[in-house]
Amino acid sequence: AQRVTQPEKLLSVFKGAPVELKCNYSYSGSPELFWYVQYSRQRLQLLLRHISRESIKGFTADLNKGETSFHLKKPFAQEEDSAMYYCALRGQGGSEKLVFGKGTKLTVNP
Amino acid sequence: KAGVTQTPRYLIKTRGQQVTLSCSPISGHRSVSWYQQTPGQGLQFLFEYFSETQRNKGNFPGRFSGRQFSNSRSEMNVSTLELGDSALYLCASSPSIRPGSRGETQYFGPGTRLLVL
Repeated sequence: AQRVTQPEKLLSVFKGAPVELKCNYSYSGSPELFWYVQYSRQRLQLLLRHISRESIKGFTADLNKGETSFHLKKPFAQEEDSAMYYCALRGQGGSEKLVFGKGTKLTVNP
Repeated sequence: KAGVTQTPRYLIKTRGQQVTLSCSPISGHRSVSWYQQTPGQGLQFLFEYFSETQRNKGNFPGRFSGRQFSNSRSEMNVSTLELGDSALYLCASSPSIRPGSRGETQYFGPGTRLLVL
């Protein structure tokens, strides 16, 4: 079974501090991992995907298959990073189905 | 390119009624998925369509159904509404079912907020 766990429901940091949003997954094959973000009153949107190994808005995430984790990191948080962050997994087999974690609400304080 | 659109945006129904929600994917996208978002359960997969065929279904009762039309537009229907069906229903589209290829993922609509009284 596919499962995504985001252990922190809420995370609060100060502007300029490093931030790490945790994501652990359970999947027997080789998954695709994504981070989605939902800013206040905006639609859910893709932040980054593990396959691209990209940095978006200063965020990076590395897939650690040994620890089955895909933590999202940013060295210096900004107030505009305050949002809900969802980690999502897509399995093999040609399905577009995404399995989401419950989300972490990040608040960056001034 | 216009994004995914969903209609209506808000809906109030009473228990026992039925409801139909509509989703228009991004032009050229042939895959449409539906998700239910609630504070308690988060985002849960409902179903997935590609070329008018249901490819996957989540763990929801048979009261939840859907379909996709030849122009890729999709509708979902919930019959005999229950209070617990109150949620934000999200539609997402992607270019295609991935036959082993990688890179793309889903683009989400704004959602339809359903309140069941």
